[in-house]
Amino acid sequence: DTGVSQNPRHKITKRGQNVTFRCDPISEHNRLYWYRQTLGQGPEFLTYFQNEAQLEKSRLLSDRFSAERPKGSFSTLEIQRTEQGDSAMYLCASSVDGYEQYFGPGTRLTVT
Amino acid sequence: GIQVEQSPPDLILQEGANSTLRCNFSDSVNNLQWFHQNPWGQLINLFYIPSGTKQNGRLSATTVATERYSLLYISSSQTTDSGVYFCAVKTGANNLFFGTGTRLTVIP
Repeated sequence: DTGVSQNPRHKITKRGQNVTFRCDPISEHNRLYWYRQTLGQGPEFLTYFQNEAQLEKSRLLSDRFSAERPKGSFSTLEIQRTEQGDSAMYLCASSVDGYEQYFGPGTRLTVT
Repeated sequence: GIQVEQSPPDLILQEGANSTLRCNFSDSVNNLQWFHQNPWGQLINLFYIPSGTKQNGRLSATTVATERYSLLYISSSQTTDSGVYFCAVKTGANNLFFGTGTRLTVIP
């Protein structure tokens, strides 16, 4: 069991650029979640997948954000036309059904 | 949505001391997890404890679901215990709701 992995670990981009992050969940986990964490706060839910179906989205997930999990394995989170307010740590987690969630190391995004 | 409050917000301990961290939540939950976030941002699972008591080495946790709180006990603290401790709960929704955390600093 290699745990949840995320790439890249750090991303610096200029305002207005598009960025894409990848998450590889624990192999037998059917649920995959994306969270965002800003400085001094706890993580906040963005969206989740059960297998390849995206079943829930938070109000935090604006139209500039899109997530996919095309074959029910890895997932990507894309942010279009980045803004400085998008600077945060983006965390991915996975679980078997609704049970214990395990988190990846996160992707730290800085928008300049 | 559900409110999750953690106390104290900050805690400074001498190495070897014991501590208790508290998590209060405003509604019924079906899951509760405790995490330790290390300085690099990784969330490390400590306990999955929707109810009852569990122990793992120097750490233990108790959740009293009917009274809507959970406690995390750290005994004989070490400098490596430093970091932020989060409580996170799940209701009927599928995502975790996190508290604002307790920042623990253990001084040698």
